Amino acid sequence: QKEVEQNSGPLSVPEGAIASLNCTYSDRGSQSFFWYRQYSGKSPELIMSIYSNGDKEDGRFTAQLNKASQYVSLLIRDSQPSDSATYLCAVKTNAGKSTFGDGTTLTVKP
Amino acid sequence: DAGITQSPRHKVTETGTPVTLRCHQTENHRYMYWYRQDPGHGLRLIHYSYGVKDTDKGEVSDGYSVSRSKTEDFLLTLESATSSQTSVYFCAIRATGTSSTYEQYFGPGTRLTVT
Repeated sequence: QKEVEQNSGPLSVPEGAIASLNCTYSDRGSQSFFWYRQYSGKSPELIMSIYSNGDKEDGRFTAQLNKASQYVSLLIRDSQPSDSATYLCAVKTNAGKSTFGDGTTLTVKP
Repeated sequence: DAGITQSPRHKVTETGTPVTLRCHQTENHRYMYWYRQDPGHGLRLIHYSYGVKDTDKGEVSDGYSVSRSKTEDFLLTLESATSSQTSVYFCAIRATGTSSTYEQYFGPGTRLTVT
């Protein structure tokens, strides 16, 4: 079992819709969770971090964390073509290192 | 932009040759990381450093060595490059501070091809 698993893509949504990206992790002691966006040919860019159970909102992005279910998600409201990218989930495990999922590729169609 | 540069940005080398990639940061961050990224895969940690001369292995460290003689520079060396090391290599720093602990910021990457 992978330490961090993301729903397999690609994910395609129409412009203006809500995109939902999901991530599960295996280390129950994990404390810190991150979402990165990576455009093709570019480096990952941090867009959200979340440390406590519940929702955290930043503009059109909402991160949701449920430690009991070992689940973290990213919602993108009013999706735009510029949101088309690969989204990487990262979890800081008890060992002190960040483990990344394989990523979910999102395409927003005009 | 976390003040991270990587050099070279692109390199083609032959199997069996040594290769050194450089990561340079300007903001005095203590923690630095080297990752590789292959098609269809996330980022996999090769080595990391938690201070000058303090380094440790990641999950895919075989065939790689690192050095950090100055805070600002973290070098990744492939002693004898193999085709399986063809990849994109990213350097990252870890932000410090209570609210941003463990957030990582990445350099632009180095695309390495081993022929």
